[in-house]
Amino acid sequence: EPEVTQTPSHQVTQMGQEVILRCVPISNHLYFYWYRQILGQKVEFLVSFYNNEISEKSEIFDDQFSVERPDGSNFTLKIRSTKLEDSAMYFCASSERRRGEQYFGPGTRLTVT
Amino acid sequence: SQKIEQNSEALNIQEGKTATLTCNYTNYSPAYLQWYRQDPGRGPVFLLLIRENEKEKRKERLKVTFDTTLKQSLFHITASQPADSATYLCALDPGDYGQNFVFGPGTRLSVLP
Repeated sequence: EPEVTQTPSHQVTQMGQEVILRCVPISNHLYFYWYRQILGQKVEFLVSFYNNEISEKSEIFDDQFSVERPDGSNFTLKIRSTKLEDSAMYFCASSERRRGEQYFGPGTRLTVT
Repeated sequence: SQKIEQNSEALNIQEGKTATLTCNYTNYSPAYLQWYRQDPGRGPVFLLLIRENEKEKRKERLKVTFDTTLKQSLFHITASQPADSATYLCALDPGDYGQNFVFGPGTRLSVLP
């Protein structure tokens, strides 16, 4: 069964450094998403992406964040200058239709020290 | 302000009984409502989607209802099993461009043998 994959599974970085989190969505899906979940808290929407552009973004997704689909398979989330409060699990998801079930990856645990 | 609540943080039930989880929302008019399951350290897994013009949806032992007047969705697991123990998340999809997908805080269900 096709699945969303994410790398790395765990990333440790120092405050102020740039990180890139990578995702490979399910191949025939057209809509891509990033979410984050701070430990013990709820899943929070960051951004959705379709047709090579951002379709929606939340207040969390400020200028420090960017997304890209550099080729036909990868979907990346970049955080330019990490802060301690960026420490969280980051989930990538994809869906076939705009308003349909989303398939989530296993997540990348980001730890900012 | 907009708010999503799920009945309780944690719910314990005996194996074989029906678990009923509640999702209430205010100041939203979701076009779709989805339910996901999340196990510790993992990404959410899609379970069911219900549209605003549908009253009820079923899938095997799962049933979801959606009452847009009460602004409430109920999620039922019949003949519950210890393997059903997980956190269950409701998610609201406004259906309009420019509005974000929002998860509730989740209810942690424990099915006791």
